[in-house]
Amino acid sequence: AQKITQTQPGMFVQEKEAVTLDCTYDTSDQSYGLFWYKQPSSGEMIFLIYQGSYDEQNATEGRYSLNFQKARKSANLVISASQLGDSAMYFCAMIRAGGTSYGKLTFGQGTILTVHP
Amino acid sequence: GAVVSQHPSRVICKSGTSVKIECRSLDFQATTMFWYRQFPKQSLMLMATSNEGSKATYEQGVEKDKFLINHASLTLSTLTVTSAHPEDSSFYICSARITYEQYFGPGTRLTVT
Repeated sequence: AQKITQTQPGMFVQEKEAVTLDCTYDTSDQSYGLFWYKQPSSGEMIFLIYQGSYDEQNATEGRYSLNFQKARKSANLVISASQLGDSAMYFCAMIRAGGTSYGKLTFGQGTILTVHP
Repeated sequence: GAVVSQHPSRVICKSGTSVKIECRSLDFQATTMFWYRQFPKQSLMLMATSNEGSKATYEQGVEKDKFLINHASLTLSTLTVTSAHPEDSSFYICSARITYEQYFGPGTRLTVT
């Protein structure tokens, strides 16, 4: 079975500072993918970044980067230069690349990020 | 980009009635759609996988007869909450899959009074 763990229920950061949101995962699969999503109070799920298990370089998308440490099974999200609009719930999720569960996402518990002015 | 819509965005119904929620992929065809349920400040829990032209696959603990899923076409999946009760009040989100990527609908907030 797959499991995603986000140990930070809430995080606070000052505007313009960087923040790291933690995510660890557990899987016996060799091929999998890791996602980060942002969910503002409106409820929509916004895709931020994706890392494949065979990708050797850490994924980056604008102010978002994923610190992928495969041996430690961690996939932390780094947000640089935080903005007030970054305040939201953030979810780490994993997808299986094959098998009967192909395409299913397993989500972590989420981290509520609050950006202070 | 791929867009998924949900209708309605909010619905209030009386206990004992049924409610249908639609999930549409607007600019692509989706053979597989997923339905999630989310309680306030909690994670998304997968309820079922909806496959076009076949029966939905439900996750363990999800009542098939209560949450009816129909994937009638490559662009439409529906979730019907039958005989709704206040404990069914929740945020329901659908997603549609293209290869490994999932595109989420905006969600439907169901309140059962």
